[in-house]
Amino acid sequence: DSGVTQTPKHLITATGQRVTLRCSPRSGDLSVYWYQQSLDQGLQFLIQYYNGEERAKGNILERFSAQQFPDLHSELNLSSLELGDSALYFCASGPLRLRDGGEQFFGPGTRLTVL
Amino acid sequence: AQKITQTQPGMFVQEKEAVTLDCTYDTSDQSYGLFWYKQPSSGEMIFLIYQGSYDEQNATEGRYSLNFQKARKSANLVISASQLGDSAMYFCALTGGAGSYQLTFGKGTKLSVIP
Repeated sequence: DSGVTQTPKHLITATGQRVTLRCSPRSGDLSVYWYQQSLDQGLQFLIQYYNGEERAKGNILERFSAQQFPDLHSELNLSSLELGDSALYFCASGPLRLRDGGEQFFGPGTRLTVL
Repeated sequence: AQKITQTQPGMFVQEKEAVTLDCTYDTSDQSYGLFWYKQPSSGEMIFLIYQGSYDEQNATEGRYSLNFQKARKSANLVISASQLGDSAMYFCALTGGAGSYQLTFGKGTKLSVIP
């Protein structure tokens, strides 16, 4: 158990809908990272928050947004869903700068299926 | 741009034998970090080992060691005494420079351990 929790574990929805994925980081970690794992794109970094502020952005679509709350949990909002958004979405928590040697602890992931 | 290349889509190894999973990387940063993660069929991402670009010695963690050859830009994972539970996808990841907040992943290698 990494200490990172993600809910829900599975999500099935229809095209055009909006969903919210939730993540609680490990105790003491201020950084939350979101990743998307799909068959065609592999594992891709989406966005990072640190202590409530956006710190880095990757290949995140404009239809997607995220935020980190004062209690440090984070939510990833996906709207106007398309079939291609079906993927495993990971949340990870860790240090602010990975080059400081700290590992990122990954949550169990949320598997999103868009029908 | 940073890039990770894992050229072995799949590999087989006999139980109790050692196996090397290849990883080459490309980065223009002087300071960077290399990670290996394991993803079993259950889907979670498990941190295995970390190597910093300025670390003089190769990293080791139990049965895992990282064969770091900086001049060749390679960071191969060596698993000694393979076990059936080692069957999984293995991902090499890179961080550093302006993207020091996020991990860039390779496409992964599927390792199958044969009894």
